[in-house]
Amino acid sequence: EVQLVETGGGLIQPGGSLRLSCAASGFSVSNNYMGWVRQAPGKGPEWVSVIYAGGSMYYADSAKGRFTISRDNSKNTLSLQMNTLRAEDTAVYYCARLKYCSGSSCRGGAFEIRGQGTMVTVSS
Amino acid sequence: DIQMTQSPSSLSASVGDRVTITCRASQSITTYLNWYQQKPGKAPNLLIYAASSLQSGVPSRFSGSGSGTDFTLTISSLQPEDFATYYCQQTYIYFTFGPGTKVDIK
Repeated sequence: EVQLVETGGGLIQPGGSLRLSCAASGFSVSNNYMGWVRQAPGKGPEWVSVIYAGGSMYYADSAKGRFTISRDNSKNTLSLQMNTLRAEDTAVYYCARLKYCSGSSCRGGAFEIRGQGTMVTVSS
Repeated sequence: DIQMTQSPSSLSASVGDRVTITCRASQSITTYLNWYQQKPGKAPNLLIYAASSLQSGVPSRFSGSGSGTDFTLTISSLQPEDFATYYCQQTYIYFTFGPGTKVDIK
């Protein structure tokens, strides 16, 4: 059974850093397309970052230059390093596996979100 | 960037009603369009991928159609567990979500 468990959220001051982790089970992150999706309170979901099976990484404009996605194949985990956090980064962050990707660009991919997410609150 | 719009933003319906939600992309996305359902306090759940393919385990009362810029999610006979918010998502260029359509009880 596919399981994804996110950890690492919390209350952080503006300008601070936080590292989110996602422990995967039932499949290998190393040969899957993986990503992070967030949802601010009362808002719709927003994709944050993806890492493809081949290792390519992509970021939403809101995350570019501040967030870094990575994976640890030996631990079967996905991570999101978030720096220079802003109030608008406040959200529940979900880890997801991308299914139905077409080609190396993951065109057509759909997010399979299996965890409860981890809450990040950026506030002074 | 590709922008997504949905209409209506909310609707009220009764159990047994046929419900249709539309989604429009700012440019052609062929059939790279997914639909998700989200209930309060829960993560978004994939319903439809590639515009019209039903995700495993999703009831057949859900269906999707469309191509290019205009898409539709239809619930053929609304059930009590279907009251939720529905989001479309384009995956032609990256992964933009629509603003959502909230379906509540009339």
